[in-house]
Amino acid sequence: EAGVTQSPTHLIKTRGQQATLRCSPISGHTSVYWYQQALGLGLQFLLWYDEGEERNRGNFPPRFSGRQFPNYSSELNVNALELEDSALYLCASSSDTPNTEAFFGQGTRLTVV
Amino acid sequence: AQSVTQLGSHVSVSEGALVLLRCNYSSSVPPYLFWYVQYPNQGLQLLLKYTSAATLVKGINGFEAEFKKSETSFHLTKPSAHMSDAAEYFCAVSETVFGNEKLTFGTGTRLTIIP
Repeated sequence: EAGVTQSPTHLIKTRGQQATLRCSPISGHTSVYWYQQALGLGLQFLLWYDEGEERNRGNFPPRFSGRQFPNYSSELNVNALELEDSALYLCASSSDTPNTEAFFGQGTRLTVV
Repeated sequence: AQSVTQLGSHVSVSEGALVLLRCNYSSSVPPYLFWYVQYPNQGLQLLLKYTSAATLVKGINGFEAEFKKSETSFHLTKPSAHMSDAAEYFCAVSETVFGNEKLTFGTGTRLTIIP
């Protein structure tokens, strides 16, 4: 069974551009979580999608947005990129069974220059 | 509201020594607790989870954790550290509120193994 897959693995963008990151959850999982892991800041919760709806949002500006598609895959969009957006972005998925663990992808490393 | 506090952002132990990584949680409902490990340039891998069954939970790679409600703790231990244990470790709490689920992580503890 395929795990959580993220693409691309690496992304280099210029300040002010937009970045789009993609995530495919494990088959049968309906929840997708996005996290930002910037150097020295640990794992910061960004967004949680479940059944196509945004369920919760972390303390990030509106230029961080996303969506979940009918097949439960998800996109994270970051507009007007800033240098401090450089980070590893991790996607995780979980099933709709309460309190089961989340499974993580390998991440997309975004570098803003 | 739920939260997780990991005491010590960096922990160093000698190879063969006891590993103890501390995690305290806050939750308004009985929590479900997890420990994840992250090796360099990789995603997070589940080490173990507590789901209200046995309070002592055994995980992969010889790790275990004990749920102590009275202390609101879920510390991670391993009797004898191995060089391959060097990684970052994250404690997480999950609670179901009104049918929705939220997963909250601690800030992580970087474990260094001294040869």
